[in-house]
Amino acid sequence: SQQGEEDPQALSIQEGENATMNCSYKTSINNLQWYRQNSGRGLVHLILIRSNEREKHSGRLRVTLDTSKKSSSLLITASRAADTASYFCATDDYGNKLVFGAGTILRVKS
Amino acid sequence: NAGVTQTPKFQVLKTGQSMTLQCAQDMNHEYMSWYRQDPGMGLRLIHYSVGAGITDQGEVPNGYNVSRSTTEDFPLRLLSAAPSQTSVYFCASWDAGRRSEKLFFGSGTQLSVL
Repeated sequence: SQQGEEDPQALSIQEGENATMNCSYKTSINNLQWYRQNSGRGLVHLILIRSNEREKHSGRLRVTLDTSKKSSSLLITASRAADTASYFCATDDYGNKLVFGAGTILRVKS
Repeated sequence: NAGVTQTPKFQVLKTGQSMTLQCAQDMNHEYMSWYRQDPGMGLRLIHYSVGAGITDQGEVPNGYNVSRSTTEDFPLRLLSAAPSQTSVYFCASWDAGRRSEKLFFGSGTQLSVL
């Protein structure tokens, strides 16, 4: 079964608004990563947060990690139409592999 | 930089046919993996390799074979294609040794089995 579960499954917002996606996982992790996938293309790495970190920023992205709740959130601020994509969390559980969730489909309307 | 290269981009097979999806990376990454992506299910790990000569099964390995004779190449073989193997397949590599720890993905192979 999949490690990460994203919530919501789909999100539709207006350009300029913030988008928040959540990810829950089941086991202890080394790190958690977020990826973006534009329609029909390969996944692109966005940001990585290690198990001993609680928050990380990269440009308009903010990721938080709560290991006690086994959950993470990805915040995209001031969204743009170009942010329309699917977003996946992936967990590294020390097992030499990344396990992905089912993803959140984000639509940013201009 | 070419990164991770997958071929072919599209393939149509008949049930029972066999084929090999090719994956090559030029980043000298030890770790390589194959995922399949089905609608609403995210990516599921098929097989992975932590170095030449070493492979292991992922979440959904049945019906697929892999080998890793070189660092650069990690082909995925479908032994006898079934309609359930209709999916988009992604190859990825990972420089875990240098602690960058992010996956680099190929552009995918869309496979249809009739």
